[in-house]
Amino acid sequence: DTEVTQTPKHLVMGMTNKKSLKCEQHMGHRAMYWYKQKAKKPPELMFVYSYEKLSINESVPSRFSPECPNSSLLNLHLHALQPEDSALYLCASSRPSGSGNTIYFGEGSWLTVV
Amino acid sequence: KQEVTQIPAALSVPEGENLVLNCSFTDSAIYNLQWFRQDPGKGLTSLLLIQSSQREQTSGRLNASLDKSSGRSTLYIAASQPGDSATYLCAVIGGNTPLVFGKGTRLSVIA
Repeated sequence: DTEVTQTPKHLVMGMTNKKSLKCEQHMGHRAMYWYKQKAKKPPELMFVYSYEKLSINESVPSRFSPECPNSSLLNLHLHALQPEDSALYLCASSRPSGSGNTIYFGEGSWLTVV
Repeated sequence: KQEVTQIPAALSVPEGENLVLNCSFTDSAIYNLQWFRQDPGKGLTSLLLIQSSQREQTSGRLNASLDKSSGRSTLYIAASQPGDSATYLCAVIGGNTPLVFGKGTRLSVIA
C-alpha cells in the first residue's frame, strides 16, 4: 500500500471560516509534508514534520497551522484565509526526511477561498 | 540555493514516438532525483527514483538517467501513447532540503 489519503477533495470556505485539511498514510513513514500548488506552477513546500515534530516551516503565514497528532495523520488548520490562498494543497510522506527515500503524494485537496 | 530547470516546457508528439525530457539542477550535492507525473487536477504520481549513487532506473517504457556531476537527468519514454499525456515533474532532494521541483514539461501525445 503506497497510498496517501487526503480529505476533503474539494473545499470552499469564506474568509472568516475555520476549516481543516486532513492527510493519512499507513506506510509507516515518519516524515510528512504539506505542499501548495497554484495552477500551472510546481508544488511549493510549506511544512515538514519528522517523527511528529515540525522540522521545516517555509515562512508560511500563521493563518495556516499544521498539526501532526500521530505518525499516521497530518492536519492543516485554516483560518482567516485570503482569496489568493486558493490552490491545490498536497500532502506527502516518506521515510525520515533527508534520507533520500521516495516521496509519495496524495491526490490533493482543492481549496477555494471566497 | 538549489534550482531545477526542465526543458522543454511543453512538447507535442505523435503516438509511437520515443521522446526525452530534460532536467538540470544547480547543486550536485543531492541524495536522489525523483520523476513525477501529474494529470490535470490530480496529485503527483511517483514514476522513478534515482539514488545519487545510481546512473539510471527503468520501469516499463520509462528510463531515467542521472549524471550527478554535470547536474543533469533525462526521462526517456519509449513508444509514447496518448495515455502518457500529462505534466512531468523532476525534483531533487539534497541535505535537509525536501523536494525542490522544476516547473515541469507538459506532454501531449497525439493519436
